[in-house]
Amino acid sequence: QVQLQESGPGLVKPSETLSLTCTVSGGSISSYYWSWIRQPAGKGLEWIGRIYTSETTNYNPSLKSRVTMAVDTSKNQFSLKLSSVTAADTAVYYCAREVTRGSARWFDPWGQGTLVTVSS
Amino acid sequence: DIQMTQSPSSLSASVGDRVTITCRASQSISSYLNWYQQKPGKAPKLLIYAASSLQSGVPSNFSGSGSGTDFTLTIISLQPEDFATYYCQQTYSTPRTFGGGTKVEIK
Repeated sequence: QVQLQESGPGLVKPSETLSLTCTVSGGSISSYYWSWIRQPAGKGLEWIGRIYTSETTNYNPSLKSRVTMAVDTSKNQFSLKLSSVTAADTAVYYCAREVTRGSARWFDPWGQGTLVTVSS
Repeated sequence: DIQMTQSPSSLSASVGDRVTITCRASQSISSYLNWYQQKPGKAPKLLIYAASSLQSGVPSNFSGSGSGTDFTLTIISLQPEDFATYYCQQTYSTPRTFGGGTKVEIK
């Protein structure tokens, strides 16, 4: 059973770069799209972007100028970097696998989430 | 971007009630529509994919329908463990987008 685990600093200073890693266990990272999603406290879900194991990426246009994703197949990990953060980037950050079967696509599983606070 | 609009944003219901949540896409998304359940402090959990397919392990108390722009999640008989927030999501195109959520509370 595939499991995902986010890791990284829980506190980032304004204007600095947020860096998170998602470790995939119980299965291979190959041949899937892997997404990052965030959720500010008490609010809804926002898709940040995704990466394929070939390093093809798609980013949300609202964040594209600040987002970089990478994948390390040797470690079964993928990562997120979000630059020039502000308080508005404070949120729980989730990683998730995008599954494709026929003409259907969905996110499963999800990591448990990690809270990142932007504050000086 | 495809905008996903859920209604209502919240509702109060009793155990045993039939609950219906709707989701409307700003353009046709065929059946690329998923439903997730989220409980406080937890990650979203997949309930329904491809508009009407029940994820393995999810009780048959949940059902989904619709295609094109209009979709529905139905909880046939609300159980105590069903009180949560529900989100729809389109995977027709990028950026992937979610509805604003529907919080189901105890009446």
